[in-house]
Amino acid sequence: NAGVTQTPKFRVLKTGQSMTLLCAQDMNHEYMYWYRQDPGMGLRLIHYSVGEGTTAKGEVPDGYNVSRLKKQNFLLGLESAAPSQTSVYFCASGGLAGDTQYFGPGTRLTVL
Amino acid sequence: AQSVAQPEDQVNVAEGNPLTVKCTYSVSGNPYLFWYVQYPNRGLQFLLKYITGDNLVKGSYGFEAEFNKSQTSFHLKKPSALVSDSALYFCAVRDLDTGRRALTFGSGTRLQVQP
Repeated sequence: NAGVTQTPKFRVLKTGQSMTLLCAQDMNHEYMYWYRQDPGMGLRLIHYSVGEGTTAKGEVPDGYNVSRLKKQNFLLGLESAAPSQTSVYFCASGGLAGDTQYFGPGTRLTVL
Repeated sequence: AQSVAQPEDQVNVAEGNPLTVKCTYSVSGNPYLFWYVQYPNRGLQFLLKYITGDNLVKGSYGFEAEFNKSQTSFHLKKPSALVSDSALYFCAVRDLDTGRRALTFGSGTRLQVQP
């Protein structure tokens, strides 16, 4: 099992450009999450999904959109990137029992 | 609203000595509590969790944590630290009674174990 994978690992964007981050999990988990990690702030929840075809806002959703067309994939989109979105982005998935979340390796995004 | 506080940005300990990384939480209902570890340039790895039952929870790599409801704390401990334990540690909480499954994370504590 690969667990949770994220694509790409690194990306540099210019202000105003768009991109999509892909998260895939092979554990048949219902729940998937996108977080951003910034120094001294821990992880903050951007959006999450409780099942295929559903999405919900987290703490810091502005400037991001998500889609969960397939159970195993959760996409995070930036329509018009801003320097404030420079961060490390983590995807996680979790099942129904025990709520343990399993994390991907992260995507380091720099917006110039 | 649920929240987590990790009062120490960094903890320094000598190899072989016991270590404690502190965590306090706030929820309106009953908590699920978690500890994760992050090594440089890696994702978060699950260490242990408290859901119910015994207040002392044992996890991976010799770590354990004690749930204290009256003090709303969930401190991470290890009897004998290793240099390889040096990493960033995150405490997280979920409020059982809200139905919201997302976790709230603390700001992290960097553990430095000196040889």
